[in-house]
Amino acid sequence: GAVVSQHPSRVICKSGTSVKIECRSLDFQATTMFWYRQFPKQSLMLMATSNEGSKATYEQGVEKDKFLINHASLTLSTLTVTSAHPEDSSFYICSASDGGSGNTIYFGEGSWLTVV
Amino acid sequence: SQQGEEDPQALSIQEGENATMNCSYKTSINNLQWYRQNSGRGLVHLILIRSNEREKHSGRLRVTLDTSKKSSSLLITASRAADTASYFCATDDTGFQKLVFGTGTRLLVSP
Repeated sequence: GAVVSQHPSRVICKSGTSVKIECRSLDFQATTMFWYRQFPKQSLMLMATSNEGSKATYEQGVEKDKFLINHASLTLSTLTVTSAHPEDSSFYICSASDGGSGNTIYFGEGSWLTVV
Repeated sequence: SQQGEEDPQALSIQEGENATMNCSYKTSINNLQWYRQNSGRGLVHLILIRSNEREKHSGRLRVTLDTSKKSSSLLITASRAADTASYFCATDDTGFQKLVFGTGTRLLVSP
């Protein structure tokens, strides 16, 4: 079945630095990927829609200059948290669809970000 | 934005019992999906039900959808300790997999 891989699974960074999280569709092409953020014991909140070859579409309240999204190929989207602060510590998870008839979307395993 | 409200927020049952979780949403949808998430892990897709469907089964799972009431329920029959997880409904109103998640139900199944 279709697989979406995220890397790194866990990362610790210092305040003020930037960190990049990758989301790859391993055996299918994804023109669109989605990025979500989940704080502990809360639900997933959609941050942005990543479109291959064009600018990402951000949800209301998400700072596009802070959360940079790049979707340079049909199998890779990256989320860069710039000038990270402790309040950015969260679980970030991406999803992608293979566009198949089942309309199933596949989620990555997520990335835990801790900003110290 | 948060689309769905789920209830209960938490549910604690014994193995062998059934667990029912409810999800209400606000706008018209293309489909509704249920996911499971083990603590600190990614999501596992359980079942998708389209807006023109009323009920769907998959193993021990039964999902219903009432579009007139904008609600869905997930029933897990004969629960097992391994079913302990958080369960989320997610709606797709565009058909393009842009999912909006509900608040989730934390299920604890005790042996």
